[in-house]
Amino acid sequence: EVQLEQSGAEVKKPGESLKISCKGSGYSFTNYWIGWVRQMPGKGLEWMGIIYPGDSDTRYSPSFQGQVTISVDKSITTAYLQWSSLKASDTAIYYCVRFLDSVMAGDHWGQGTLVTVSS
Amino acid sequence: EIVLTQSPGTLSLSPGERATLSCRASQSVSSNYLAWYQQRPGQAPRLLIYGASGRATGIPDRFSGSGSGTDFTLTISRLEPEDFAVYYCQQYGNSRGTFGRGTRLEI
Repeated sequence: EVQLEQSGAEVKKPGESLKISCKGSGYSFTNYWIGWVRQMPGKGLEWMGIIYPGDSDTRYSPSFQGQVTISVDKSITTAYLQWSSLKASDTAIYYCVRFLDSVMAGDHWGQGTLVTVSS
Repeated sequence: EIVLTQSPGTLSLSPGERATLSCRASQSVSSNYLAWYQQRPGQAPRLLIYGASGRATGIPDRFSGSGSGTDFTLTISRLEPEDFAVYYCQQYGNSRGTFGRGTRLEI
């Protein structure tokens, strides 16, 4: 069974750094793109970026380029999303998603990680 | 960046009725790379349609997708109570993806 298990909820202060994780299991981790999707409170879905664990090819949406870093450790089948300096506007649920390469559709989603940034 | 415009923003229908949701792109999208998702309150999104018209695993056949170029449609033939949710279209092109702002389907 394909599973994407995300790390737990975080409460941080503005200016702090953060790295959240997404562990894939039940499939060949290096053969599927993993992406991150943001959902701000009461709002829609936003594509942040994707990474191919096989070669770490990474692609960012222009809105998130330079704001976050997506990485992967294929030895432990885990993808990461990190911030160096959080802002209150980063408060959101973050989903990791497995994308089917041939159609770039997200067929499996993690449960989401709620990140709250507040002073 | 390709912008996806979904309409209507909210659709009010009753169980048993037919729902037609629209997704229009600011420039042509490869049909291979157009997907639809359903999101119920408090849940992660679920893939319904990939490649504009392919049904994802386990999705009932009352859900169908169509379209090409800049105009795509998700149709739900006979609404069930569990279909009342928010629906998003998503495209991938030029090495990045975008989502539409969603259509809320309500009773």
